[in-house]
This record gives sequence, structure tokens and C-alpha cells, in this order.
Amino acid sequence: QKEVEQNSGPLSVPEGAIASLNCTYSDRGSQSFFWYRQYSGKSPELIMSIYSNGDKEDGRFTAQLNKASQYVSLLIRDSQPSDSATYLCAVIRGGPNAGGTSYGKLTFGQGTILTVHP
Amino acid sequence: KAGVTQTPRYLIKTRGQQVTLSCSPISGHRSVSWYQQTPGQGLQFLFEYFSETQRNKGNFPGRFSGRQFSNSRSEMNVSTLELGDSALYLCASSRTGGHYNEQFFGPGTRLTVL
Repeated sequence: QKEVEQNSGPLSVPEGAIASLNCTYSDRGSQSFFWYRQYSGKSPELIMSIYSNGDKEDGRFTAQLNKASQYVSLLIRDSQPSDSATYLCAVIRGGPNAGGTSYGKLTFGQGTILTVHP
Repeated sequence: KAGVTQTPRYLIKTRGQQVTLSCSPISGHRSVSWYQQTPGQGLQFLFEYFSETQRNKGNFPGRFSGRQFSNSRSEMNVSTLELGDSALYLCASSRTGGHYNEQFFGPGTRLTVL
């Protein structure tokens, strides 16, 4: 079982729709969760971070975290063609339940390719 | 505020050679992490440095090494290059490398080994 798994893509949605990206993780010591966007030929760009259960909204993006289910998701509302990219879920281990912090080590999922068509 | 910078952006080497990549973190960031990205394996953690000390290391052979300087700039070195080392090498910086720290990536160095 991979440490971080993302829903297999590619995911294609029409412009203006909601894109839903999902991620599960296996390490219960995971403390912090991040979503990165990576355009082809570019480096990952941080778009959301979430540390506690519930929803976190930033503009058209909403991250949802459920630590009991070991599940984190990213919703993109009013999807635009410029949102077409690979979305990477990343987690980092830390805190008292993890027995310490895995300093600087993000563990990534394999990524989900999102295509928003006009 | 300037972002993370990496040099060089592109490198072509032959098997058996060695290479050194450089990373300058965001001003005020003291933690630098290095990652390797390949189509087959995705993004994999190499190591992390903070205050000139390696605090964490991924599962890579000893040919991969790094260091950090007092100004937080970091270098990584790959010796005795193999074809499989062809990849995008990314560095990311954060304030302290802790689990509540966001990491910001540089543009990467694309290494091709012939």
C-alpha cells in the first residue's frame, strides 16, 4: 500500500464545474497536509495547506480533512481552463502521536491530472 | 520577496561523472529539502538540512549527498552518475522544516545523464 494515494486520473471537467480531487494516506502520524499544483514542465506550486479536521476555503479552492478516515480532498469551484494541471497531495509526519516530526520530508501522492475543457 | 532559486536550470552529463546543484532558499527560511522527480517514481524526498545539519534523509544511495552553508544556501552532489539519475531535481525551503511549515519549491534543475 502506498503511503499517499490519489484518485486515478485523468479527471476531465467542463469549464465552470466543480473539480473534486481526493487523497488518502496510510500513516496515522501524518500531521499536516498540502495540495500542490504542477503545470507541465514547471515545479510544484503550493495552493493549500490544512492542519486540522474540517474545511478550509481560499478563493475557489476548498480543502477538506478527515483524520479519522485518513482522507483529504480538494475542491475547485468554477473550474477554469487555466486550472488544467497535475495536482499533488502531500503529507508530513509530526506531532506527539507520530513520536516526533519527520523534518522537511513531504510524502507525495502520484498526482491527478486535471483537464478543464471549455 | 524573492522565491527559491536553483542553478543551473539544465545539465547534461555522462555516466560516471559527478554533478553539483545549488539552491538558495527564500530569505528567512532556514530549512532546505531536496526532492527527485521522475515520471515513474514521482516526487521522492532526498534529504533535509537545517542550520547546516542534515536532519532527515530519504532512501537514496550514498552517491547522493548534500550540505548547507551558514547563509542557508544548499548544494547537493551526485557522484558516479547513472542513467537512472536523469530527473528533475527540486529544492524546497521552509522556515524551520517542522510539520506546520509550508514548503515552497524552486524551479528545479533538469539533469540528463547520457
